Amino acid sequence: DIQMTQSPSSLSASVGDRVTITCRASQSISRNLNWYQQKPGKGPELLIYAASSLQSGVPSRFSGSGSGTDFTLTITSLQPEDFATYYCQQTYSTFRTFGQGTKLEIK
Amino acid sequence: QVQLQQWGAGLLKPSETLSLTCAVYGGSFSDYYWTWIRQPPGKGLEWIGEINHSGSANYNPSLKSRVTISVDTSKKQFSLHLNSVTAADTAVYYCARDFQQLYPDYWYFDLWGRGTLVTVSS
Repeated sequence: DIQMTQSPSSLSASVGDRVTITCRASQSISRNLNWYQQKPGKGPELLIYAASSLQSGVPSRFSGSGSGTDFTLTITSLQPEDFATYYCQQTYSTFRTFGQGTKLEIK
Repeated sequence: QVQLQQWGAGLLKPSETLSLTCAVYGGSFSDYYWTWIRQPPGKGLEWIGEINHSGSANYNPSLKSRVTISVDTSKKQFSLHLNSVTAADTAVYYCARDFQQLYPDYWYFDLWGRGTLVTVSS
């Protein structure tokens, strides 16, 4: 199976900050990488698919980049509603796997 | 607007079988793979498996011996059965749609159910 490793596991930031979360795959997955946001008590929501494509309705302050094994999710100008947990996911393999999550907290 | 509605027993005893069903409302059923994911309390997401309308299924190798995902196309429903549960199977279980974008070919979970908390306790 393809292992997905996110860093950092947690992150403190302030409203208005720019933050970057990294996801690394254990083997090349081309651009088959998605990002999800999960708020407490809620199910995950798709933010970015195919490494850099913004899902409809997602604010443009979210962006994704990368290919192969290294990927990033960037949030510019953090808003209060962005404090949540973020997961990367690979769909290169039929056996879908997620990163362990990055919890973004208010500083 | 497409919605997923899921239901099933929320409290099980060890060795029992977990059974959940997810219904698809307001959209096509046959064009997608339908998937189950779980999340133990305070932990991350684990993909359980998926199925399409013709019954072709894929499973997480670590759960494959205990999992069956089935489909009822006439009702636009798919179901998860996990046998011989233990406390380690306590989790919120989500159903979701595995969407395939063509040309180029990318997959992503674009629609999620609300989740069902399943607790395994004696």
